Amino acid sequence: DARVTQTPRHKVTEMGQEVTMRCQPILGHNTVFWYRQTMMQGLELLAYFRNRAPLDDSGMPKDRFSAEMPDATLATLKIQPSEPRDSAVYFCASVWGQGRTEAFFGQGTRLTVV
Amino acid sequence: AQTVTQSQPEMSVQEAETVTLSCTYDTSESNYYLFWYKQPPSRQMILVIRQEAYKQQNATENRFSVNFQKAAKSFSLKISDSQLGDTAMYFCAFMKLGSSNTGKLIFGQGTTLQVKP
Repeated sequence: DARVTQTPRHKVTEMGQEVTMRCQPILGHNTVFWYRQTMMQGLELLAYFRNRAPLDDSGMPKDRFSAEMPDATLATLKIQPSEPRDSAVYFCASVWGQGRTEAFFGQGTRLTVV
Repeated sequence: AQTVTQSQPEMSVQEAETVTLSCTYDTSESNYYLFWYKQPPSRQMILVIRQEAYKQQNATENRFSVNFQKAAKSFSLKISDSQLGDTAMYFCAFMKLGSSNTGKLIFGQGTTLQVKP
């Protein structure tokens, strides 16, 4: 059963701490997205990669957020230092980029910064 | 820039009845995809149905169907014979056509649907 796996499912951290969220895309999918969901802003695209290369990270606050794909099976989203306004659910999604349109989502990481 | 608007924050329907969720969008593109995603309390985002803008025929998936009005930029979702498991938040989403845009979704704010027994 192919699925996108995100860890951790939940994270509570103190303001100023570093937070790292991980995503394992579906094997063979070459495009990986990071979305953030908040009550106020809804679902918004933060960044995405194709064949591990960053294509667009314009939705991401550059001063504290960074996204990487160290290899084809792992994408990371890091926040340093974290702030209470970063509290949200962060979703990873992957797509097989050859003519397919469906994005498969992970179950998200619920981040709470206190 | 594209925008997607869902004007109904919350809706409810009795089990076995039919409900329609509204979505409008704004774009200058002529070729694109539209989607409805379901997010149950588990948080999992599940694709319900998709529509290619170049197809005039409305998409259907079992109890789910859409009314796609390209000129009016409207894309509503009809759920027939509502079931308790349909209780979820529903998101309308837009995607431009083109390999560089695959999976790059613009979402509406969502509609919370409650199916009552």
